[in-house]
Amino acid sequence: QKEVEQNSGPLSVPEGAIASLNCTYSDRGSQSFFWYRQYSGKSPELIMSIYSNGDKEDGRFTAQLNKASQYVSLLIRDSQPSDSATYLCAVKYGYGQNFVFGPGTRLSVLP
Amino acid sequence: DGGITQSPKYLFRKEGQNVTLSCEQNLNHDAMYWYRQDPGQGLRLIYYSQIVNDFQKGDIAEGYSVSREKKESFPLTVTSAQKNPTAFYLCASTDRDESPLHFGNGTRLTVT
Repeated sequence: QKEVEQNSGPLSVPEGAIASLNCTYSDRGSQSFFWYRQYSGKSPELIMSIYSNGDKEDGRFTAQLNKASQYVSLLIRDSQPSDSATYLCAVKYGYGQNFVFGPGTRLSVLP
Repeated sequence: DGGITQSPKYLFRKEGQNVTLSCEQNLNHDAMYWYRQDPGQGLRLIYYSQIVNDFQKGDIAEGYSVSREKKESFPLTVTSAQKNPTAFYLCASTDRDESPLHFGNGTRLTVT
């Protein structure tokens, strides 16, 4: 069974610090990787997609993928209180177009 | 604007009643999905459809039914057989490539 694991948190960081969120997955057939942010009571919104090994940067966000270690991470630089949310890691398998979500990590950025 | 529309935003029903949640997308996506989320929990897949007139059960399909008569529409019916229907329901869609899931705003269902 395909699994995606994340630390549930809460992860607390001070404002301005770097928040590091981690995700591991079980199936080497995984092809696409996504990070979603979900505020309480709202639907998930996509913040990063990554498809090949290495780093991908978008503003204050950096996604890192290591397929050999089956590991994907999200770094948030200069964390702001508005970044306080639950971050979901999602893995897409090419066949069947199925997505598997991790349980999410709750991030709290303290002013 | 392209997107996914779920309606209604809030839905209240009495126990024993069937209820249908609407999901419409104008993104021209082939695949559509229904997820359930309980407080403090992750997303659980109920049903998905990769093409019109075809759909597959997800991890928690018992007590739910769907139809896919049009590419744009994927309604979910919560039947009286679903023992704990109160939850936040999310509809999503994607293309046939490496694209991510796009989510609607969700429907919060409360059954008393």
